[in-house]
Amino acid sequence: EVQLVQSGAEVKKPGESLKISCKGSGYSFTSYWIGWVRQMPGKGLEWMGIIYPGDSDTTYSPSFQGQITISADKSISTAYLQWSSLKASDTAMYFCARPTTYSSSSFALDYWGQGTQVTVSS
Amino acid sequence: SSELTQDPAVSVALGQTVRITCQGDSLRNYYAGWYQQKPGQAPVVVIYGKNNRPSGIPDRFSGSTSGNTASLTITGAQAEDEADYYCNSRDSNGYHHYFFGSGTKVTVL
Repeated sequence: EVQLVQSGAEVKKPGESLKISCKGSGYSFTSYWIGWVRQMPGKGLEWMGIIYPGDSDTTYSPSFQGQITISADKSISTAYLQWSSLKASDTAMYFCARPTTYSSSSFALDYWGQGTQVTVSS
Repeated sequence: SSELTQDPAVSVALGQTVRITCQGDSLRNYYAGWYQQKPGQAPVVVIYGKNNRPSGIPDRFSGSTSGNTASLTITGAQAEDEADYYCNSRDSNGYHHYFFGSGTKVTVL
């Protein structure tokens, strides 16, 4: 069974750093991209970026470029999302999701983590 | 373009049919994925590709595409279908750059 299991909720102060994780199991972790999605309170889904754990090829959404770092450790089948200096506006639920490509014109984010709530408050 | 446009909200009477649309240039190259999200839960894919339903998704959910517009139809809406629905596509230049529509809140009356 494919699973993406995320790390637990975090409460941080502005300016602090943070790294949250997403552990994949039940499939070949190095053969699928993993993306990160932000959902601010009461708002919609926003694509942040994606990594291919096989070679660490990473693409960021322009809105998040320079604000976050996405990485992966294939030895433990885990992807990460990190901030070097959090802001109150980073308060949100963060999901990891795995896209599967079915054809040249068809794909789906068919597996999602359960979400990690990040709260940044002084 | 990385924009996908959705209506903010629609309502449907119990047992009736509702169609949600998603417009964007990328849909000329990629079929939209459709995701249902209930409060406090992770999104779940309900339709992908031309009109594919993952295992466990009821057949009252269907999808279609015409030009730059994708549609999700719920035929015979049930109370449990009340949720936010998001469409999703990817950049047509081949990069692994994805994006979502702004979401449609479906209320079942």
